[in-house]
Amino acid sequence: QKEVEQNSGPLSVPEGAIASLNCTYSDRGSQSFFWYRQYSGKSPELIMFIYSNGDKEDGRFTAQLNKASQYVSLLIRDSQPSDSATYLCAVSDFGNEKLTFGTGTRLTIIP
Amino acid sequence: GAGVSQSPRYKVAKRGQDVALRCDPISGHVSLFWYQQALGQGPEFLTYFQNEAQLDKSGLPSDRFFAERPEGSVSTLKIQRTQQEDSAVYLCASRIGALPPWDTQYFGPGTRLTVL
Repeated sequence: QKEVEQNSGPLSVPEGAIASLNCTYSDRGSQSFFWYRQYSGKSPELIMFIYSNGDKEDGRFTAQLNKASQYVSLLIRDSQPSDSATYLCAVSDFGNEKLTFGTGTRLTIIP
Repeated sequence: GAGVSQSPRYKVAKRGQDVALRCDPISGHVSLFWYQQALGQGPEFLTYFQNEAQLDKSGLPSDRFFAERPEGSVSTLKIQRTQQEDSAVYLCASRIGALPPWDTQYFGPGTRLTVL
């Protein structure tokens, strides 16, 4: 059973600080890693994807991947109240087309 | 361009009724996925189509669940004899290809099914 683990939170971060979200996965064959943001009552919205070890930056967001340790993280710099949402980590591997999701981490940015 | 659309957005069914949920993927997207999301959980895979072929239906919870995509575009998820445990949000996603970087899945707004 392939698993993706996330701390469910809630994670509270002051406005302007860095929010750090972590995810571990069990399948070493996983090749594609995604972070989705989901506002309450809405559908998942893609934030970032990463395929290679290391860091990938996009604006205030940085995804980090460490395949040897089987973890992927998302950093949100200069956190804004609009970043308050549930963040879902998802992984897939070539040949197993579906996304396997974690349960999500609920992030609250405190003004 | 237009994103993934789903209808209806909300559906209330009495236990034992049949329901049909529709998904219109992004134009040109070859692959289509259905997921089920229970309250407080991440989405869970139900089934996957590549064009009109259903390549994986391992996540369908029972034989009451059936999905089709006859012309390789619009897909319908049908649930027969609905049960209370079927209450969830049903999400449809589409993607343009299977290999990175074209394997990103884009989600529709979902259909919230409530079975009374």
